Amino acid sequence: LAKTTQPISMDSYEGQEVNITCSHNNIATNDYITWYQQFPSQGPRFIIQGYKTKVTNEVASLFIPADRKSSTLSLPRVSLSDTAVYYCLVDGGGNRDDKIIFGKGTRLHILP
Amino acid sequence: KAGVTQTPRYLIKTRGQQVTLSCSPISGHRSVSWYQQTPGQGLQFLFEYFSETQRNKGNFPGRFSGRQFSNSRSEMNVSTLELGDSALYLCASSREKGTLTLGRTGELFFGEGSRLTVL
Repeated sequence: LAKTTQPISMDSYEGQEVNITCSHNNIATNDYITWYQQFPSQGPRFIIQGYKTKVTNEVASLFIPADRKSSTLSLPRVSLSDTAVYYCLVDGGGNRDDKIIFGKGTRLHILP
Repeated sequence: KAGVTQTPRYLIKTRGQQVTLSCSPISGHRSVSWYQQTPGQGLQFLFEYFSETQRNKGNFPGRFSGRQFSNSRSEMNVSTLELGDSALYLCASSREKGTLTLGRTGELFFGEGSRLTVL
């Protein structure tokens, strides 16, 4: 099982770019990396998913180096509404017996 | 289309009682997973069901059980409640993906959760 490690918390300011890094040293060949966002009293919401290199969608970018032992979620020009907990999930693409392991998440606080 | 629906949203029980929580996945989703979320432990995996079969189980005592019905709806049950069972219980559904596309779970769609308070 690929365990993930993220910073517990981060602060940033409105309009800044925020990068949150997740370590997953024992990621397996078939594992994908997915990021979720969670607001208080709500279920997590999918942000982005990738396997290698770079993935970009309308809300974020995901950078994955060649060794895939880490990944970085990049949020461009954050606003106060981006204050949330962000979870990195490593999910086995081919192993249906793997548990779904979320880390402790990173609590991002955006300041005005 | 309708999202994942969890009922009840809030409930209060006393120690020793049992509770059943329900989850209706998004139409067409056959995989349902359950999680316990507490301030100290974060999101912890309880179990996952696919086509009425439990595919995996997290590290929780046998008091925690679940099942999935033929329409993919799922229930989880906690017997002999303890104070430490107070938590937000989240359910997520997903389409079953091919083994090498978008990971095993693909995108997880979460419900808003059932907040259980044990007194």
